[in-house]
Parts: sequence; C-alpha cells; structure tokens
Amino acid sequence: AQSVAQPEDQVNVAEGNPLTVKCTYSVSGNPYLFWYVQYPNRGLQFLLKYITGDNLVKGSYGFEAEFNKSQTSFHLKKPSALVSDSALYFCAVRDVRDDKIIFGKGTRLHILP
Amino acid sequence: DGGITQSPKYLFRKEGQNVTLSCEQNLNHDAMYWYRQDPGQGLRLIYYSQIVNDFQKGDIAEGYSVSREKKESFPLTVTSAQKNPTAFYLCASSIGSLEHNEQFFGPGTRLTVL
Repeated sequence: AQSVAQPEDQVNVAEGNPLTVKCTYSVSGNPYLFWYVQYPNRGLQFLLKYITGDNLVKGSYGFEAEFNKSQTSFHLKKPSALVSDSALYFCAVRDVRDDKIIFGKGTRLHILP
Repeated sequence: DGGITQSPKYLFRKEGQNVTLSCEQNLNHDAMYWYRQDPGQGLRLIYYSQIVNDFQKGDIAEGYSVSREKKESFPLTVTSAQKNPTAFYLCASSIGSLEHNEQFFGPGTRLTVL
C-alpha cells in the first residue's frame, strides 16, 4: 500500500534563511509526487509536482523540490524564506497503478520576522 | 473566471439531520473528489468520481453519499449515520483521473454539529 510521511509537525525558520520541509513516501511502482500549500480556512493550492525526468522540480512562489529515489524522499525547499510563506504544507503521492492520491498529515511552516 | 466553488462556507447541523454540501466547477474537469480534513490528520478521501454518473468510495465513505448527475456538480450529503461529522470538507477536481494530474481545490465548507 502506498503511504507518505511528513516527519515534522512544525518547522520554524527565520525570514531570509533557506527552508526545507521533509517528505518521504512508499509506493510499489513509480511515484507521482505533489506539494500543496494551505492558508488558514482556505482550500489547498498546488505548488509543484514530479512526474519523471529531472530530479529537481521548480514550482510556484520560488519553491522547488528534489526527488531522491534511493531515499524515497521529495523534500520541499526555498532558498530564502518570506513571512508570507507561513502556512500548512502537504506532500502527496500517487502510485501509477492506483487512482487515488494519498496526502501526508501536513507540516506547519512558521517564518519568523 | 474559472474555478471551483463550495457552499456554504459555514454549516451548522443538529444531530440526526442530513445536510448537503455543494461543489461546483467550471473548469471542464472530468474528475471530482471530496476530502475531509481534521486537525493533525491531513486529508482523507470520502468519495471520488472520474466521470458523470459514476463514483467510487474512498477511505472513509461510511455515513456519506454523493451524486454526479452533471459534470460540473458533485454534491456531498452528510447523513445522520456519520457519527462524528464536525470537520472541514474540501472538494477538488482534476482534468482527468490520470496519475500525474494535479488537483484544484475549492475554499472548503466547515461543518459543525450542534
């Protein structure tokens, strides 16, 4: 069965510093991986996805993520954090042989001014 | 202005009542989904539909029902059989059910049982 883990409930980063939000996954076949962001009392917004090809994927708002097959990870990164990046971030995975997407429990990112 | 809308934004229900949450999209997407979000549990799939007049149960379908009579609409009914319905409900759609298609989410409905 496929699964996704976000090991940190909360991440605190000072404004201007680089940020990383971790995600690891488990699927039987090839994975499709996604990152979404949720602001308070709002729906989720798509940030980026990995399908195939280059392991470094660039997305919205300056975010990027690196697919690492050997470590089964897909960590979200940004070189310089903004206070407005503070939100709840979800990693999601989909197995090529399944028609459902599985979401992680979310990581709350706090950017400190 | 394309998008996915949900109504109402807030909904209060008395125990024993059925309530219906609306979800409409004008993105011409084939696939639609309903999720439930509880604090610390992420998103859990309730029902999904890949095409009109067809839908499948997700991981937590008990106490819920859906219909997909039109491509644009995917209403969710929370029945009295759902024992703990207080939650934030999110509707989503995607172009198709292909694995690599990202989902577009509505703004959500917060349901509270009084």
